[in-house]
Amino acid sequence: DQQVKQNSPSLSVQEGRISILNCDYTNSMFDYFLWYKKYPAEGPTFLISISSIKDKNEDGRFTVFLNKSAKHLSLHIVPSQPGDSAVYFCAATGGTSYGKLTFGQGTILTVHP
Amino acid sequence: EAGVVQSPRYKIIEKKQPVAFWCNPISGHNTLYWYRQNLGQGPELLIRYENEEAVDDSQLPKDRFSAERLKGVDSTLKIQPAELGDSAVYLCASRKGGQGHNEQFFGPGTRLTVL
Repeated sequence: DQQVKQNSPSLSVQEGRISILNCDYTNSMFDYFLWYKKYPAEGPTFLISISSIKDKNEDGRFTVFLNKSAKHLSLHIVPSQPGDSAVYFCAATGGTSYGKLTFGQGTILTVHP
Repeated sequence: EAGVVQSPRYKIIEKKQPVAFWCNPISGHNTLYWYRQNLGQGPELLIRYENEEAVDDSQLPKDRFSAERLKGVDSTLKIQPAELGDSAVYLCASRKGGQGHNEQFFGPGTRLTVL
C-alpha cells in the first residue's frame, strides 16, 4: 500500500529552465508535507515543507504547491542549476502517522549545463 | 551544531553473521528514527524512539532485528543473523519533538552488503 507516490522515476532539464517534480498521496489524514534532496552516499537533506493550511510555500528558487482536493503536491525549481541534480523525495505525515514520515520512491533530477 | 552521526559508513558481512549500527542524534533531539532504504525506493521506517521509549516498532522484523536507546541519546540497531535481503542503506534520523517540529534530520547512513 503505497500511500505516497512519485510516478516519475527521472526528470531531465536544461540549466536555467524550470524543474517540476510531482507527488501524489492517498491518505487524507496527512496534513504536513516535506521535500528532501539526496546526493549519492549522503543522507536525505530537508529542502522545503508545506502545511495543509497553505497551498503554496516559497523559499528562494524552490516552491512547493499543494492541491488538497487532488491529493497532489509539486516542487518547482526555478531556475534549475547543475548542482540541483540529485534524488528528490516527497514525504508526508499527520493524523495517526504524526511523527512518522511516509516517503515516495524518489525522482532522479538531472540538470544539464 | 553537529548533525546526525552514524557509524560505520559501510559494512560487508556474510549471511548469518551479526551486525550492529550506531547513531548519535543532534543534541537536544528527543525523537530518533531508524529507516531502511532499498535501492530505488524511499526510506521506510523501522523504529521510532521518543527519548528512551520505542513508540513505533511495528515495521521492525523482531525475529532478527533489535534496537536500543538506553539513555535516550545514542542508539544501536542490530541484525542477528543477517540475511541476503538485508542488504540496504540504514539511515538514522532525529527530530526535535513536540508539535510544530516535523522536519527530520538524517545521518549519512550505513550501507550494508550481505554476501
